Amino acid sequence: GAGVSQTPSNKVTEKGKYVELRCDPISGHTALYWYRQSLGQGPEFLIYFQGTGAADDSGLPNDRFFAVRPEGSVSTLKIQRTERGDSAVYLCASSPTIDQPQHFGDGTRLSIL
Amino acid sequence: GQQLNQSPQSMFIQEGEDVSMNCTSSSIFNTWLWYKQDPGEGPVLLIALYKAGELTSNGRLTAQFGITRKDSFLNISASIPSDVGIYFCAGQRLNYGGSQGNLIFGKGTKLSVKP
Repeated sequence: GAGVSQTPSNKVTEKGKYVELRCDPISGHTALYWYRQSLGQGPEFLIYFQGTGAADDSGLPNDRFFAVRPEGSVSTLKIQRTERGDSAVYLCASSPTIDQPQHFGDGTRLSIL
Repeated sequence: GQQLNQSPQSMFIQEGEDVSMNCTSSSIFNTWLWYKQDPGEGPVLLIALYKAGELTSNGRLTAQFGITRKDSFLNISASIPSDVGIYFCAGQRLNYGGSQGNLIFGKGTKLSVKP
């Protein structure tokens, strides 16, 4: 499809496990963003890529969270030693350039048991 | 993290009614955006505003970028059942040096149908 694609759509895992969440942005979009949305809240920024480099990772809550975008297209958000508080919907967005509107995927719903 | 002040938190609509919601911030933004989110889906862009004072329409939706750059409102005219959902405002401060491209969101306004 033409939109932002995120996989998996749902992920259930046990506390302490490692998870990877994937985002496939709209083709040609150089900017890619990760957000986290808790129930009843708006999305909160985690990290943003311009091309292959992380331009701003100030929203990552701690060093258990890491994201990569090695070829400037697909990005992976990695969470180590998951905790129950990490349960949320993780949203990815992309835009052609930083000053154009961001378009969101449907997110990955992460549940930590 | 920082979030914008969005109101009302929720409202009930009857088909045909006009709806209004707004968003305020203590900080200035370069861009204001309005998104709609349905259950189990990601936010969908409705309107983007780039200049202070700008008034933009998209069908039955009209949004304005406040003169002070610290607020925005969204109006929906003649509401229909498919308007139900959660509406989010988002502000963006652009820094072309590479950082601050992220959006800051409000907590959302939930539109439901009057019983």
